[in-house]
Amino acid sequence: QKEVEQNSGPLSVPEGAIASLNCTYSDRGSQSFFWYRQYSGKSPELIMFIYSNGDKEDGRFTAQLNKASQYVSLLIRDSQPSDSATYLCAWEGTGFQKLVFGTGTRLLVSP
Amino acid sequence: GAVVSQHPSRVICKSGTSVKIECRSLDFQATTMFWYRQFPKQSLMLMATSNEGSKATYEQGVEKDKFLINHASLTLSTLTVTSAHPEDSSFYICSARGSGADTQYFGPGTRLTVL
Repeated sequence: QKEVEQNSGPLSVPEGAIASLNCTYSDRGSQSFFWYRQYSGKSPELIMFIYSNGDKEDGRFTAQLNKASQYVSLLIRDSQPSDSATYLCAWEGTGFQKLVFGTGTRLLVSP
Repeated sequence: GAVVSQHPSRVICKSGTSVKIECRSLDFQATTMFWYRQFPKQSLMLMATSNEGSKATYEQGVEKDKFLINHASLTLSTLTVTSAHPEDSSFYICSARGSGADTQYFGPGTRLTVL
């Protein structure tokens, strides 16, 4: 059973639209959740992290966490072609330091 | 802040040789460093976790005698792929985390090609 599940995509959205990326996880002990963006051939870069239920906003990005449903999402407002990349979600449990990554969702933003 | 570097960025070697990859935290002390491997179109797979001055903890299925990890200082960890074979060709990424930090920061990665 996969610990973190993401739709592999690609998710295609037009420029200026809202892109919604979703992630479900199986371990109720998961405490912190991270969203990374990875361009082809590059290493992941952190977008944001969230550990409390609810929404967390940073610029055009909003992370949403629902621990009861074991669901975390990332919304990208005003999507730009430069947002085209693979988005990885990851979780980290209490006392752990290692991240468990999902398989990633490929996002394509068309001009 | 929180910059992590890796060297080399790209390496090509012959089968049977050993390759060393360095990971450095440039502006913070990394109490813990992680080594990942990523094959094409797959996600990152954690290989091992190392704490400064301690032996690395390897994930299940990762051969510790083949992938030697040294974390001798708070700013440097090395991964040595011994007797490399074509199936070891991959993208190797390190990350580093400081004491009390919220997250780990990734290096730019090393592309290893074994001929």
